[in-house]
Amino acid sequence: EAGVAQSPRYKIIEKRQSVAFWCNPISGHATLYWYQQILGQGPKLLIQFQNNGVVDDSQLPKDRFSAERLKGVDSTLKIQPAKLEDSAVYLCASSLTGRRFLLGNTIYFGEGSWLTVV
Amino acid sequence: TQLLEQSPQFLSIQEGENLTVYCNSSSVFSSLQWYRQEPGEGPVLLVTVVTGGEVKKLKRLTFQFGDARKDSSLHITAAQPGDTGLYLCAGYGETSGSRLTFGEGTQLTVNP
Repeated sequence: EAGVAQSPRYKIIEKRQSVAFWCNPISGHATLYWYQQILGQGPKLLIQFQNNGVVDDSQLPKDRFSAERLKGVDSTLKIQPAKLEDSAVYLCASSLTGRRFLLGNTIYFGEGSWLTVV
Repeated sequence: TQLLEQSPQFLSIQEGENLTVYCNSSSVFSSLQWYRQEPGEGPVLLVTVVTGGEVKKLKRLTFQFGDARKDSSLHITAAQPGDTGLYLCAGYGETSGSRLTFGEGTQLTVNP
């Protein structure tokens, strides 16, 4: 079974430039997540989609970050304009459902997109 | 905000030694998970504990959920170099909806 696919793997941009990351979740997974992991820290949820609707974007810096999942399958996360503190790994993940109490509802993570802002 | 604090932050041991990693919070969690993350990869789920006092074993790894569901521990017996990685605890709080909150992680290095 194919895992969560992300691209690009690595990106270096200058501050104030824009960048976009793409994610294709595991086939059939209704829930898609974007996490930000700064070096030395645990992942922090930026946004959670259930199909093409937003479930939780309370920790998304909406002045510069945006995300969409138009057809309920793949998703794009955009940063514009980027700041130095946005340097991090952006992890996409997916699960069958967002119902946390459902046994076996494992969250599967992609390998991440590494962003360096200089 | 429900925080998870992990300790130690870094741990370097020799092959064959035992170790314990701790995950603590002042908040109650309805369930708690442990993940392992290797360099250049995303976290991979190791176990989910749900019931206070629950103990789960996965080969040489033993996971325990505190009676009050505020803390958890991961014990590794006879560590091997392949156990090297970042160990993350994560929990679903009783008030955080469906959001999974991660701790800062424990970086484990097992030297041959």
